[in-house]
Amino acid sequence: DTAVSQTPKYLVTQMGNDKSIKCEQNLGHDTMYWYKQDSKKFLKIMFSYNNKELIINETVPNRFSPKSPDKAHLNLHINSLELGDSAVYFCASSQDLGDRGPIQETQYFGPGTRLLVL
Amino acid sequence: GQNIDQPTEMTATEGAIVQINCTYQTSGFNGLFWYQQHAGEAPTFLSYNVLDGLEEKGRFSSFLSRSKGYSYLLLKELQMKDSASYLCAVEDSNYQLIWGAGTKLIIKP
Repeated sequence: DTAVSQTPKYLVTQMGNDKSIKCEQNLGHDTMYWYKQDSKKFLKIMFSYNNKELIINETVPNRFSPKSPDKAHLNLHINSLELGDSAVYFCASSQDLGDRGPIQETQYFGPGTRLLVL
Repeated sequence: GQNIDQPTEMTATEGAIVQINCTYQTSGFNGLFWYQQHAGEAPTFLSYNVLDGLEEKGRFSSFLSRSKGYSYLLLKELQMKDSASYLCAVEDSNYQLIWGAGTKLIIKP
């Protein structure tokens, strides 16, 4: 069974459109994340969200908004798509066990959604 | 199915060398990534191997053997700041990333 799944795998759309990417985790985790992978393969965190708080990376345009219908889902909605939004977007989840020191609590990543804006 | 295996946790001493292994079984292969992740931070890209062999980048090196479905990340002259999780991920034939669960590396003085 896939622990973290994303749909769609590929998304090709026109500039100016509104689109959503869905993420689901079946691990019972408390926290979910959205990352954007840039052309140099670096992952930049966009949002982290649990039932307590939403943490937004201030560099993320407000055209991007996370929507969580329940604990197992964190969808990414994008308004007015721009060419620069073309990238691979990864969803991840982890169990919130508090401060464990310098080592990251294991995050489980989805396979990615390739977004191409034309 | 698709599978990435790496040790859950490793411990090493400051100044020493450690090798983190990753084995994979995927539907096709378009490259293998190593990422480092500290608590509360996004994963940091370390390396990308698509051809067999060793690639060195400072204190970090990454090795790939496609015929064996095997890679390792080698960290030399370990520093306390190297305490982190190390994630192995393989890009399959559909250009989807299959992620390992990560290896927690603990560095002791």
